[in-house]
Amino acid sequence: DAGITQSPRHKVTETGTPVTLRCHQTENHRYMYWYRQDPGHGLRLIHYSYGVKDTDKGEVSDGYSVSRSKTEDFLLTLESATSSQTSVYFCAISDPGGSSGNTIYFGEGSWLTVV
Amino acid sequence: RKEVEQDPGPFNVPEGATVAFNCTYSNSASQSFFWYRQDCRKEPKLLMSVYSSGNEDGRFTAQLNRASQYISLLIRDSKLSDSATYLCVVNKNNAGNMLTFGGGTRLMVKP
Repeated sequence: DAGITQSPRHKVTETGTPVTLRCHQTENHRYMYWYRQDPGHGLRLIHYSYGVKDTDKGEVSDGYSVSRSKTEDFLLTLESATSSQTSVYFCAISDPGGSSGNTIYFGEGSWLTVV
Repeated sequence: RKEVEQDPGPFNVPEGATVAFNCTYSNSASQSFFWYRQDCRKEPKLLMSVYSSGNEDGRFTAQLNRASQYISLLIRDSKLSDSATYLCVVNKNNAGNMLTFGGGTRLMVKP
């Protein structure tokens, strides 16, 4: 299995509070991603990073920010959580041009409930 | 219209059956294609890439039809352990790794 660790794995938080999810990889892959998965919508890209301090928006970026200060860590922040952000969040990594090609590997997921 | 569409199922089949899933994509410039498997409350995992000439991995066969913009997955001799959701994944370009996921097709293999 790819060396991807997400934390926390489960969190319940109140509306309006800030939340940060952490993704840590030990594969030295250049690209890192945050997806959310919801019934009826499948996996949707929130933000991604193509290098340290290089990030870009995905399909559903509103209400989220990210930071990547080190190759191995990619943080997803909900500045003020809303109930619509209740979801399962998956971190993923890939290394286009590297040994794993276009294959994308996922972390185990973080279950977030906003009440 | 969604960029990648799949029949959500569920497909209920007996052990030993052959089952096929299709997936259509809308972006004709899509570069690469994959099937991922996702078990309940787990992360998606790569099942196989899909190549233009078609490819096989044991009981699994994937096909790509660029003209009609669909890919397929055939599972022969279904096992109970094949029960999962199968995600069709399309890479929109080769500039980075911009994947679009279908909603998944759920397969349930019954004894």
